Amino acid sequence: RKEVEQDPGPFNVPEGATVAFNCTYSNSASQSFFWYRQDCRKEPKLLMSVYSSGNEDGRFTAQLNRASQYISLLIRDSKLSDSATYLCVVNPNNAGNMLTFGGGTRLMVKP
Amino acid sequence: NAGVTQTPKFQVLKTGQSMTLQCAQDMNHNSMYWYRQDPGMGLRLIYYSASEGTTDKGEVPNGYNVSRLNKREFSLRLESAAPSQTSVYFCASYQAGSTDTQYFGPGTRLTVL
Repeated sequence: RKEVEQDPGPFNVPEGATVAFNCTYSNSASQSFFWYRQDCRKEPKLLMSVYSSGNEDGRFTAQLNRASQYISLLIRDSKLSDSATYLCVVNPNNAGNMLTFGGGTRLMVKP
Repeated sequence: NAGVTQTPKFQVLKTGQSMTLQCAQDMNHNSMYWYRQDPGMGLRLIYYSASEGTTDKGEVPNGYNVSRLNKREFSLRLESAAPSQTSVYFCASYQAGSTDTQYFGPGTRLTVL
């Protein structure tokens, strides 16, 4: 079983749609969680951290369910510019602060 | 601040050739990392350096060596390149703080023929 699992997609949605991605992680001791965005042929960039209480940044909402060990990302009112791959990332709080990456979920927003 | 920079951006090698990928960060971060990203495989850690003067193996270290030259610079060396090392290589740096996560360089696209 992979340590961080995501549905690779692609998710094809029309502009204005709401789309949600889920991610599951296997290490119950993990302490920090993030969503990164990666555009084609570019580096991953931090989209948002995921807090236990849930957090929102504009059209993006992230939630954490520690009991079920999953993380979600909700994107409302999708824009063409949201087309990218979204990486679920977990910090298992190891000594080297090494992150564990999911394989990514590809989102394609169509006009 | 430039953040994390990498050179070169692109490189084509023949099997058996050697090369060094350079990475530098200007954020005064203690920890630095080298990843490779292959289609369908996600990001895999090659080596990391938790602090200046230390380096450790990650998930896929075979065929690579690293040097933490100083706090700013962390280089990755391929001594004898193989076609299996064709990949995109990302360097990242980390410092505990408000976001508590890693920041990536723009990557090096390497093709080994």
